[in-house]
Amino acid sequence: AQTVTQSQPEMSVQEAETVTLSCTYDTSESDYYLFWYKQPPSRQMILVIRQEAYKQQNATENRFSVNFQKAAKSFSLKISDSQLGDAAMYFCAYVAGTYKYIFGTGTRLKVLA
Amino acid sequence: EPEVTQTPSHQVTQMGQEVILRCVPISNHLYFYWYRQILGQKVEFLVSFYNNEISEKSEIFDDQFSVERPDGSNFTLKIRSTKLEDSAMYFCASRDAGTSAYEQYFGPGTRLTVT
Repeated sequence: AQTVTQSQPEMSVQEAETVTLSCTYDTSESDYYLFWYKQPPSRQMILVIRQEAYKQQNATENRFSVNFQKAAKSFSLKISDSQLGDAAMYFCAYVAGTYKYIFGTGTRLKVLA
Repeated sequence: EPEVTQTPSHQVTQMGQEVILRCVPISNHLYFYWYRQILGQKVEFLVSFYNNEISEKSEIFDDQFSVERPDGSNFTLKIRSTKLEDSAMYFCASRDAGTSAYEQYFGPGTRLTVT
């Protein structure tokens, strides 16, 4: 069965610094997508970044980038130049052939001024 | 930009009552989903729906739950007799069948509080 693991329940970063959130997953599929979602206190799910498994190049979106290691089944999120507005819960998610998302347990990111 | 909408944003109900959560998916999307997030926990898949049928459901989705697409725009989740443990955030999502078929678009969620 597919699983997604986020081993860091909470992380802290100083404003303007860089932080990396970890995610590992388990699957036997070869074609799948991975996502990072941000969930602020409003609890809305906001897509941060996506990665197609067949693409070797790591996805980037402005200050957000991923380190996708397919063989290791690792998908970490790097946030550069952290801002106070980045403080939120971050969920890693996986989707493949059944099309249902499988989420990790989340990492709470605190940004210190 | 098209978006998924959900109503109400917050619903308070008494244990044993029926509730209907409503979603309007993106208009050209064909696949619809409900997810649940109990406070402090991860988001969990409930059910997927396509062509007026349930495609897949989780073990959470028991006989107390049902889904329906009553018209061409709405997608609803009904809980027949709510329990305290049904208190959660419920997210609707939709996707199309195109090039980014794996990506689902999430609504803002409905917070259900059962008292």
